[in-house]
Amino acid sequence: DAKTTQPNSMESNEEEPVHLPCNHSTISGTDYIHWYRQLPSQGPEYVIHGLTSNVNNRMASLAIAEDRKSSTLILHRATLRDAAVYYCILVYSGGGADGLTFGKGTHLIIQP
Amino acid sequence: GAVVSQHPSWVICKSGTSVKIECRSLDFQATTMFWYRQFPKQSLMLMATSNEGSKATYEQGVEKDKFLINHASLTLSTLTVTSAHPEDSSFYICSARRSIYPQELAFFGQGTRLTVV
Repeated sequence: DAKTTQPNSMESNEEEPVHLPCNHSTISGTDYIHWYRQLPSQGPEYVIHGLTSNVNNRMASLAIAEDRKSSTLILHRATLRDAAVYYCILVYSGGGADGLTFGKGTHLIIQP
Repeated sequence: GAVVSQHPSWVICKSGTSVKIECRSLDFQATTMFWYRQFPKQSLMLMATSNEGSKATYEQGVEKDKFLINHASLTLSTLTVTSAHPEDSSFYICSARRSIYPQELAFFGQGTRLTVV
């Protein structure tokens, strides 16, 4: 999987929006952008994914830059339960049968 | 949504013994499952890919004789840590996907905390 770069940590206040950036300048045309998060002492869970267009679901929104070299995960109203490590992962079309390559992710801290 | 269940959630074993961890896909068939290991304050590292009906594929540096993987059915993969030692203490996580398509999301088990004493 292509490499992604995320800030080590971010801090936000409860009930405020959070924008988590991810750079993936070496992304290829058919790579999907996946976001997962890992709460303390749990396995990761899926958050959202996209290819070119912005995506929304009940958990979050994903904004993808026009050149696809970066993306931003948006949590519209952060809660204390959103405190987790967020991973941005590229999944390429030829590697769908491969395991995911996790970077260090962004440790999101939510202040009450 | 689909669920991947892992058992046990935690286990403590004596050095030199073996421990088996089960990973089940509860509502879909998974021809491929993945095993990860996570040390404290580190990210997940892929250990091996478990293939139903065939041998597992191990990542570089992972001892296949120490970490035995069996994927006997489309819903069950097991990881056995043989002759466990304290350095094997870690958080082990399994994962499965419904298909091989890159847009297919991955489902993860809740993880197994292994402590070798």
